[in-house]
Amino acid sequence: DGGITQSPKYLFRKEGQNVTLSCEQNLNHDAMYWYRQDPGQGLRLIYYSQIVNDFQKGDIAEGYSVSREKKESFPLTVTSAQKNPTAFYLCASSITAGVTGELFFGEGSRLTVL
Amino acid sequence: KQEVTQIPAALSVPEGENLVLNCSFTDSAIYNLQWFRQDPGKGLTSLLLIQSSQREQTSGRLNASLDKSSGRSTLYIAASQPGDSATYLCAVRDTGGFKTIFGAGTRLFVKA
Repeated sequence: DGGITQSPKYLFRKEGQNVTLSCEQNLNHDAMYWYRQDPGQGLRLIYYSQIVNDFQKGDIAEGYSVSREKKESFPLTVTSAQKNPTAFYLCASSITAGVTGELFFGEGSRLTVL
Repeated sequence: KQEVTQIPAALSVPEGENLVLNCSFTDSAIYNLQWFRQDPGKGLTSLLLIQSSQREQTSGRLNASLDKSSGRSTLYIAASQPGDSATYLCAVRDTGGFKTIFGAGTRLFVKA
């Protein structure tokens, strides 16, 4: 079945460590996105990528990094520079030059800093 | 800067009731508006997508309307069921860009 797979579902990190969240899609979508969700708040955009080997900062990119070496993969690294990384992270994708621009989401990864 | 607001933040209704969730946005220059459902600890599931040229979309017991001029959308749920209990999020995609702005959501609880 087509969809977006995020891993791991749960991740614990010690302060000072970098961690990488995986996002893989088999929908053949050009655009991919990373969002952060905190309790009681809307989703906030961290990074997005429209095509392979290109990506742009979203509203809260500080302390995060991404890469887009393959169309189907868009991993997010949460670095030690991120001051408050405990959150629920959601990956999404959409057809860039498509008809609807509809967003599809993965199941999310919950990161907890110990 | 686009802002999306959802009211109420939480809603509790008895089973069988028809209900309306509200979403408002500040900039009418949107590409589309999308309603999502989110269950606790899960990702977002797309419910309905309304393009800027459309006024409404329907799927089963759900109907979403869009009034760009007033910056409003409503999600109507008919004959609510306990399985409808979830958080419902509204999101707008700005024209000319790839940013989708989300509201904080309405948490719905349907009592059996």
